[in-house]
Amino acid sequence: GESVGLHLPTLSVQEGDNSIINCAYSNSASDYFIWYKQESGKGPQFIIDIRSNMDKRQGQRVTVLLNKTVKHLSLQIAATQPGDSAVYFCAVGNDMRFGAGTRLTVKP
Amino acid sequence: DAGVIQSPRHEVTEMGQEVTLRCKPISGHNSLFWYRQTMMRGLELLIYFNNNVPIDDSGMPEDRFSAKMPNASFSTLKIQPSEPRDSAVYFCASRRSVRTYNSPLHFGNGTRLTVT
Repeated sequence: GESVGLHLPTLSVQEGDNSIINCAYSNSASDYFIWYKQESGKGPQFIIDIRSNMDKRQGQRVTVLLNKTVKHLSLQIAATQPGDSAVYFCAVGNDMRFGAGTRLTVKP
Repeated sequence: DAGVIQSPRHEVTEMGQEVTLRCKPISGHNSLFWYRQTMMRGLELLIYFNNNVPIDDSGMPEDRFSAKMPNASFSTLKIQPSEPRDSAVYFCASRRSVRTYNSPLHFGNGTRLTVT
């Protein structure tokens, strides 16, 4: 089955800095990838997705990079804000298996 | 758009009791997922349905767990009998799935289950 894991369980950044959250996956046939943000007491919220025919996709202040060669996915958040503090998950494949999550803390 | 609706929001029950969690997916979505979230195991996929048919239930931990989707607008996750180790937050999520195209999952706010 799919094995999805995150490199860093916690990340602490200064407000205004850029954040990078990483995710490794094991199934090279995976063709769909999503990043979610989860705030306390809420369900995961969609941030951005990317399909395997792309290697980069940008949204508002966020960029997802996909490296299929090394089976690695990253989420970049520009000018990180206190409201970005949350747990971030990657989800991989059509059956949406989730990684362990990374807790992002933004220091003012 | 009301979003994915889960009920109850919180459930406290005694070991051995039957627990039923409910989910109403977003109208027009034809795929529904059930997840369990704990500190130790993270967000685990339990089961998912496409067009009301269970596709993969390999994540259902034991025979005590069962899930149904009698129609496109309703699903239940039942635990009978419940045990303290079932305590977790249970999430339901839905999306539109057409052949090779999948839209992102939309999650409900979860049911926090405590089994004493």
